[in-house]
Amino acid sequence: DTAVSQTPKYLVTQMGNDKSIKCEQNLGHDTMYWYKQDSKKFLKIMFSYNNKELIINETVPNRFSPKSPDKAHLNLHINSLELGDSAVYFCASSQEEGGNSPLHFGNGTRLTVT
Amino acid sequence: SQQGEEDPQALSIQEGENATMNCSYKTSINNLQWYRQNSGRGLVHLILIRSNEREKHSGRLRVTLDTSKKSSSLLITASRAADTASYFCATHGNKLVFGAGTILRVKS
Repeated sequence: DTAVSQTPKYLVTQMGNDKSIKCEQNLGHDTMYWYKQDSKKFLKIMFSYNNKELIINETVPNRFSPKSPDKAHLNLHINSLELGDSAVYFCASSQEEGGNSPLHFGNGTRLTVT
Repeated sequence: SQQGEEDPQALSIQEGENATMNCSYKTSINNLQWYRQNSGRGLVHLILIRSNEREKHSGRLRVTLDTSKKSSSLLITASRAADTASYFCATHGNKLVFGAGTILRVKS
């Protein structure tokens, strides 16, 4: 069983479109995250949720909206996609909040905006 | 900034050799974590070392932490081709922040 799974693995879309990425974890963790990895492999946190509540919201454009229907799921919706949104997006989860315990990552969604 | 910086940016060694990667940071931390990322995959946690610990081992991995120098090192002994990956340190102060990584290539 995949611990943290995200879909789709690849997403190619045009500027201006709206798209969603889904994430599910079966580890029973309370905290989930979205990270963005750019072309230079730099990994930056976007959002952190603990038990369905938003904990961290970094300086991310409000075109990005996370949604957590339950503590096992954290989806990412992106409106009005721009070229600069092209990156690999990783979902992750952890047992404790904020870096006190290891993160478990999904395999990423490579988003390409044309 | 809190962000860890890995050194070197890239490392190429022969199978069987040891690989050492370093991480430096600027602010006080609660813990420091090392992750591995294979091409096209997510990050995999390797070791977490807390600020009051100096050294931890896991199999062929050895991590040291020197809080006075604000630095950590990851040593992989007897490297294998399968160790080829990017290695990231992540520092936990008030949040977990990742460095830019070291690309390790192990040639067989």
